[in-house]
Formats: sequence, structure tokens, C-alpha cells
Amino acid sequence: NAGVTQTPKFRVLKTGQSMTLLCAQDMNHEYMYWYRQDPGMGLRLIHYSVGEGTTAKGEVPDGYNVSRLKKQNFLLGLESAAPSQTSVYFCASSTDRELNTQYFGPGTRLTVL
Amino acid sequence: AQKVTQAQTEISVVEKEDVTLDCVYETRDTTYYLFWYKQPPSGELVFLIRRNSFDEQNEISGRYSWNFQKSTSSFNFTITASQVVDSAVYFCALNFGNEKLTFGTGTRLTIIP
Repeated sequence: NAGVTQTPKFRVLKTGQSMTLLCAQDMNHEYMYWYRQDPGMGLRLIHYSVGEGTTAKGEVPDGYNVSRLKKQNFLLGLESAAPSQTSVYFCASSTDRELNTQYFGPGTRLTVL
Repeated sequence: AQKVTQAQTEISVVEKEDVTLDCVYETRDTTYYLFWYKQPPSGELVFLIRRNSFDEQNEISGRYSWNFQKSTSSFNFTITASQVVDSAVYFCALNFGNEKLTFGTGTRLTIIP
């Protein structure tokens, strides 16, 4: 049982390049989330999904897109990377809307030059 | 508006000392859930505890204890006889009955050997 996994672990991009971060969970969770973590700002929600085929905007969605084609996967895309998107990205999943105990992946460190 | 405040940005204590991490929250809801997560230097976020708003009993788990007080809107976390392995960033979070968590900005705890 791997829990939540993220691919890749590290990535360096040039401004304007695109990339996709992959999150996978094997816990059959309905809810999945993408956060970014920046120094002094804690965790900020980018986008989230309450089920297969659904997505919703979080606190800082601009410059990102997401897709949830399969229940176990949640993809985060950057169409044209900017230096302001340099951050550590975390994926999380949870099984219950109210209790909402979220389990996190190991993170992806992204640097945009 | 829902808000979580962790006023202590950084704390350093000598090993074996006790330390308390403060968390103050704001919500208008009567039903809500509070969480603590640990982020060790390796970077992953680890779930520690969840409490609901109807249960004000203190919780103890080994050297960890949590004090929930609705009267002061606080959910403080105490580590007794701290160890170097407790060095981490600790996040408090709030769920007010929907699919999102609101995180505080975290407290970086350093245990000095």
C-alpha cells in the first residue's frame, strides 16, 4: 500500500515551458488536492477534486490546470511556467468530506528559471 | 471567515524540555474539526491528530498532548521531554464541514541536543 505518490520528485523548468505533475493514490479516496508550499506562507490550495471527472478552484488557481480522469489520479499542469511558480507542490487525498483527514504525498520541488 | 493563526514562527528548546505550540482559530460554525500535521526535515506531511468541536477532552499520545479549549478558540500542542526527532515544522488546520482544510502558516520547532 503506497498511499499517495507524486511524480516527479524534482524538476527544473525554463520560463515558458510546460509540464504536468502526477499524483496517484491507492486508498480509493474520493477527494484529492493540490497545494503549493512557499516559505512563510504555509500551504495554499491550488485546485481540488471531489470525485472522478470533477475539479474546482482553490485559493491560488491562476496559471494551473488540473484533470481527474481516473479516481486514483490527479494531474496538475503548468502551461507556461513562470518563476513565481517555483515552489514545493504537495498532493493530498481524503475519504470524507467532513472529517477530511488528508494524507499527503512526498512533494515535488519545482524550480522555474 | 475561517482562519487559523500560529503566532509562533520559530521555537528553539534544549532537548528534554517541554514545549507548547499554539494554535488559535476563527470560525462561525458550531461543527468543525481541528488537525495537527508534522513536517520533518525530509519534507513529507504527517497527520498527527484530529479533534471535533464537540469533544473538548484533552488527548495524550505518548509524549504528545493536545489541549482543546472552545472558550479561547485554541487547540494547543505540547511535547513533553522533547527529542531531536521532534524537530520539524508543525501545522495546525481547520475544517468547518466542507471538503477543504484551512492551514496555519506553521511553527518551526528546533530541538537543540
